[in-house]
Amino acid sequence: EDQVTQSPEALRLQEGESSSLNCSYTVSGLRGLFWYRQDPGKGPEFLFTLYSAGEEKEKERLKATLTKKESFLHITAPKPEDSATYLCAVQGIQGAQKLVFGQGTRLTINP
Amino acid sequence: SAVISQKPSRDICQRGTSLTIQCQVDSQVTMMFWYRQQPGQSLTLIATANQGSEATYESGFVIDKFPISRPNLTFSTLTVSNMSPEDSSIYLCSVRTGNSGYTFGSGTRLTVV
Repeated sequence: EDQVTQSPEALRLQEGESSSLNCSYTVSGLRGLFWYRQDPGKGPEFLFTLYSAGEEKEKERLKATLTKKESFLHITAPKPEDSATYLCAVQGIQGAQKLVFGQGTRLTINP
Repeated sequence: SAVISQKPSRDICQRGTSLTIQCQVDSQVTMMFWYRQQPGQSLTLIATANQGSEATYESGFVIDKFPISRPNLTFSTLTVSNMSPEDSSIYLCSVRTGNSGYTFGSGTRLTVV
């Protein structure tokens, strides 16, 4: 069974203080690993898809990386508007188009 | 990427009643997905809906409790039947959008009292 574990559960940073969020996964065969941002009362907003180990993608202050066992979401010089819950999900080769989500990391950036 | 409109955005329902949630997409899609997000939890797939065929349900979810309709390539409904307080959750629909991942609706926040 595909599984995703995210850490930490919650992270509080000062504005400008860079850090990383972790997503560890086990999957029979990886079709894709997805990062989403979710604001309170809203649906998840797509950030990145990573397909193979060594792949990296960037968007503004966010950079996602992938190894065979985990993915990191690096946040550089964050701003208060980056505060949200960040969700990681995997799609395995045996799950059709099913996404298996982690519990998320609740990120708070203090001004 | 696709734009999804989901209705209602929230509702408070009496136990034993049913609620139908609508999901409208601005483009034709083959598959639509329904997820549940229980309080403080992450998203769990309920079922996958293909146009013209019965939905495929994940383990732990049954058609009698969560009937799904998919009358065309842009619309789907999920009904939560015979509700109990344990059904209080956020329900979300989702579609695959090209190579950029999956787009989600804004969700329906259901409270059962």
